[in-house]
Amino acid sequence: KNEVEQSPQNLTAQEGEFITINCSYSVGISALHWLQQHPGGGIVSLFMLSSGKKKHGRLIATINIQEKHSSLHITASHPRDSAVYICAVSPFQGGSEKLVFGKGTKLTVNP
Amino acid sequence: SQTIHQWPATLVQPVGSPLSLECTVEGTSNPNLYWYRQAAGRGLQLLFYSVGIGQISSEVPQNLSASRPQDRQFILSSKKLLLSDSGFYLCACYTGTDTQYFGPGTRLTVL
Repeated sequence: KNEVEQSPQNLTAQEGEFITINCSYSVGISALHWLQQHPGGGIVSLFMLSSGKKKHGRLIATINIQEKHSSLHITASHPRDSAVYICAVSPFQGGSEKLVFGKGTKLTVNP
Repeated sequence: SQTIHQWPATLVQPVGSPLSLECTVEGTSNPNLYWYRQAAGRGLQLLFYSVGIGQISSEVPQNLSASRPQDRQFILSSKKLLLSDSGFYLCACYTGTDTQYFGPGTRLTVL
């Protein structure tokens, strides 16, 4: 069993829809990251969070430490949001900040 | 903020040939540095990380090695490439104050 599980694997939405991507993990962590990978492969860090909720523009990330679960929400989705969204965790490891990754959720937003 | 440079951007190499991928970081000092690989159809996997010059930790047994000759330089090498070394290689850095930053990646194809 992977330490980080994401769902769904693939997601297709119409422009304007509200999108939710889920991430569950099985280890104790110091932080959880949401990353965005574009078709060319480049990765951008969207959020790093260890508790509560963070918002940046149309993106919202939440985490429930007790339940070991995080969600990434996209409001008013747009075709430019089409990408692979990756959840990654930093297990407690004394500052090395090694990341363990989920397999990603491929999001396609149609106009 | 940090900027990570990787080169080359793409590389096609024959089986058995040597490999050297370079990563350099600007805008910070004494970062943790990481090499990740994304094989086709699979998630990101940590290969090596370094907390300082000359300090390398390997996460998985493999055909590759890493070196950190300078504070902001991280090199991934192989003496003889295998077909299974094909993939997308990402360098990342972490300074302890924010999220991890990722380089643009190198796409390696071994034929």
